[in-house]
This record gives sequence, structure tokens and C-alpha cells, in this order.
Amino acid sequence: DGGITQSPKYLFRKEGQNVTLSCEQNLNHDAMYWYRQDPGQGLRLIYYSQIVNDFQKGDIAEGYSVSREKKESFPLTVTSAQKNPTAFYLCATTLGQIMNTEAFFGQGTRLTVV
Amino acid sequence: AQSVSQHNHHVILSEAASLELGCNYSYGGTVNLFWYVQYPGQHLQLLLKYFSGDPLVKGIKGFEAEFIKSKFSFNLRKPSVQWSDTAEYFCAVSRNRDDKIIFGKGTRLHILP
Repeated sequence: DGGITQSPKYLFRKEGQNVTLSCEQNLNHDAMYWYRQDPGQGLRLIYYSQIVNDFQKGDIAEGYSVSREKKESFPLTVTSAQKNPTAFYLCATTLGQIMNTEAFFGQGTRLTVV
Repeated sequence: AQSVSQHNHHVILSEAASLELGCNYSYGGTVNLFWYVQYPGQHLQLLLKYFSGDPLVKGIKGFEAEFIKSKFSFNLRKPSVQWSDTAEYFCAVSRNRDDKIIFGKGTRLHILP
């Protein structure tokens, strides 16, 4: 069953703690992306990676970090430096290294800081 | 600044009503245009896209969108909505083949049965 798997679906974190969100894909897509979705804000790009061992900052990268050690995996770490981490996080992929083709999205992880 | 504007944040319609959701963008030059939909509890998925050719694009579930270059618009339409169309709809634009996609803020559509 091909697709993008994000885990966990819900995540609670205490203030001051780092937390890592998982994104795994078996679509053999080259590029992977992390978006943050807030009510009334649309989707804002955090980080993206077009090839293994390479990634670029998006529009709101501060307080986040990523790695791309394998083509299938693109974990996102929300660090304690992120001032407002409570949000819905979406992982996406595209077949090629550019994002003007169709993007495929995971089901998201809802992070709540308590 | 480059931007994508969706005029309606929340739309409520009765079943069988006609739908038009507005989308305008501020890029010049060649653009690629998308509408994505997020049904309750489901992942975001592509509804339709425009890269070139016929400016009237047909997508899944009876949706269509028209690209009007002179108006920098890509409005989404459906002649008769169903309760199952209740979802959040996002317009998105990319400017060239190496650019990322910029999303609008979304429109929540609620269809009354």
C-alpha cells in the first residue's frame, strides 16, 4: 500500500522539550517537504529536501531541524526554540525535485504543547 | 511580496447550490495553479491543476476551475454541490519550474443537507 506515513497522529509535549515527528514514504519520490498548518493561515513551508543528504529552509524554519539520511525518511524535530509549536504538521512529497508537480500529503501530526 | 489570496474564509451553502471559490495571485509571468482539498479527517489531496493549454480545467468530483490571466485568477466552481463536498479548499501557485508552491489561507466549505 503506497503512500506517506506520518506518526504519531497526536503528540503532546511539555514546554522546553524537543520532539521529533516522523515522515516515511514508499512512493520512491525524490523530494519531501514539511508544512505547518494553522487555522486561517493556510500551509507554510518549514523545510524541504530535494535529494538525500540535502535540505533547504522554507519560510518558517526557525526553531525546527530536519535530516534526510534516507530517501524514504524526512523527520522533523521541533526544538524548544520554536516559540509557538502547537500546530498541525503535514509532510508532503513530489515525484521530481521540484514542487510545481502534484504534491502528495500525509495525514498529519497534531502537536500540542502543554 | 508574492501571495495567494482566497477571498472567502468560510462558505455555507445548501445542497444543490452552485459554488464559486475565488483565488487571486500576485505573481507575474508564467504560473502553475492548483486547488487542493482536505476532507474532514483525511489528508490533503489534489483537486485539479493548470500548467498550460485550455484555461478551463476539469478536476475530480465535478469540480472545474478557470484560469483568467488578465485577472490573475483561478476560481474554483461546481454547478451543484453535495453534502460530501464539505471540506477545506486551498488554492496554490508556483511561479516557475524551480519554485516552491505558495498556498492560500484556505476556504472552509460547509454544505447543509
